Amino acid sequence: DIVMTQSPATLSVSPGERVTLSCRASQSVSSELAWYQQKPGQSPRLLIYGASTRATGIPARFSGSGSGTEFTLTISSLQSEDFAVYFCQHYNNWPPYTFGPGTKLEIK
Amino acid sequence: EVQLLESGGGLIQPGGSLRLSCAASGFTFSSYALNWVRQAPGKGLEWVSSISASGGNTYYADSVKGRFTISRDNSKNTLYLQMNSLRAEDTAVYFCAKFKGYKFGVDFDIWGQGTMVTVSS
Repeated sequence: DIVMTQSPATLSVSPGERVTLSCRASQSVSSELAWYQQKPGQSPRLLIYGASTRATGIPARFSGSGSGTEFTLTISSLQSEDFAVYFCQHYNNWPPYTFGPGTKLEIK
Repeated sequence: EVQLLESGGGLIQPGGSLRLSCAASGFTFSSYALNWVRQAPGKGLEWVSSISASGGNTYYADSVKGRFTISRDNSKNTLYLQMNSLRAEDTAVYFCAKFKGYKFGVDFDIWGQGTMVTVSS
């Protein structure tokens, strides 16, 4: 099975800052990678698919990049509503569809 | 509006059974494969099972294989998860999630709000 790892586990940042979250796959997943945002008490929301394509309605401040085993999610200027947990997930060589452990964005 | 609404969660003793339902609306239910994903309290996301649009193909995580059964009723726009031989480690919020495309092997674009399953004596 493909193992997904994310770093850092927690990131303390201030509104307006630019942040980059990392996701790594234990073997190549090509560009078959998605990013999800989850706020407390809510279900996950799709942000990015195909490693770099924003989902419908996602603001342009969110961008994804990478292919193979290394991926990044960048938020260009953090807004208050962006403080949440972010998960990456692959959909290559399934099943299973494994998720990373998540990165929590906290307000500094 | 595309919606998924789970129900059927609750408190169940170890070894017991429970059936979750996920009612869909706002899209052509019979055209899309679907998933169950779970999240233990304070933990990450774990894919549990997938089912094809027709219901003819199913897949399971090793952790639930042989105990859980995914099914669907396209006439009722409803997805199910029959959970047997429940264990404490099955305690989680269970989400249903729709594949973005008409096949397996794509991302999950719509998620329900989840239903909590607690396995405890």
